[in-house]
Amino acid sequence: GQNIDQPTEMTATEGAIVQINCTYQTSGFNGLFWYQQHAGEAPTFLSYNVLDGLEEKGRFSSFLSRSKGYSYLLLKELQMKDSASYLCAVASSASKIIFGSGTRLSIRP
Amino acid sequence: EAGVAQSPRYKIIEKRQSVAFWCNPISGHATLYWYQQILGQGPKLLIQFQNNGVVDDSQLPKDRFSAERLKGVDSTLKIQPAKLEDSAVYLCASSSRSGTDTQYFGPGTRLTVL
Repeated sequence: GQNIDQPTEMTATEGAIVQINCTYQTSGFNGLFWYQQHAGEAPTFLSYNVLDGLEEKGRFSSFLSRSKGYSYLLLKELQMKDSASYLCAVASSASKIIFGSGTRLSIRP
Repeated sequence: EAGVAQSPRYKIIEKRQSVAFWCNPISGHATLYWYQQILGQGPKLLIQFQNNGVVDDSQLPKDRFSAERLKGVDSTLKIQPAKLEDSAVYLCASSSRSGTDTQYFGPGTRLTVL
């Protein structure tokens, strides 16, 4: 079967660092996406990993280990506007993408 | 560059009624997706089009849901008849080619079935 797991909720403090984990089991693998979704809004693209390792983009970084079926999204210098849901999505083939249920991140002052 | 357009933004209907949603993808994007997102959950793919052909509709409840993309550009998703459990946000997304390309989402249509 196909399965993507991520924590349902996380809380972190403004200015701190938070890591959101995602584990997956899919029949194939063509890359992993992270999307950000603010309440009541559409998801927006954050990152795409297809090779093992860390991809850094400003305050956000994403890591992938294909052998472990594992990824994480690292958010640094947290700001209140980072309060949102973070969706992990796996392309299981060249044409099929599966979304996880999302992690709702709350930032406290 | 204009984004993905969807209408209406909100719709309230009673169960057993019909409803239709419209989506216009980013110009030139070959792939179009319809997702259902229930509150607190991730998007669930209903149907994926590549130009005007269906790539995946395995999770589309075909007894009540239908979708078309006749000219390979805009698309319509219909529910007939609606059930209470269809209350959700219906998201349309497009990408330039396949599922491994970044998807760009429209603002969604929030459907409430009473």
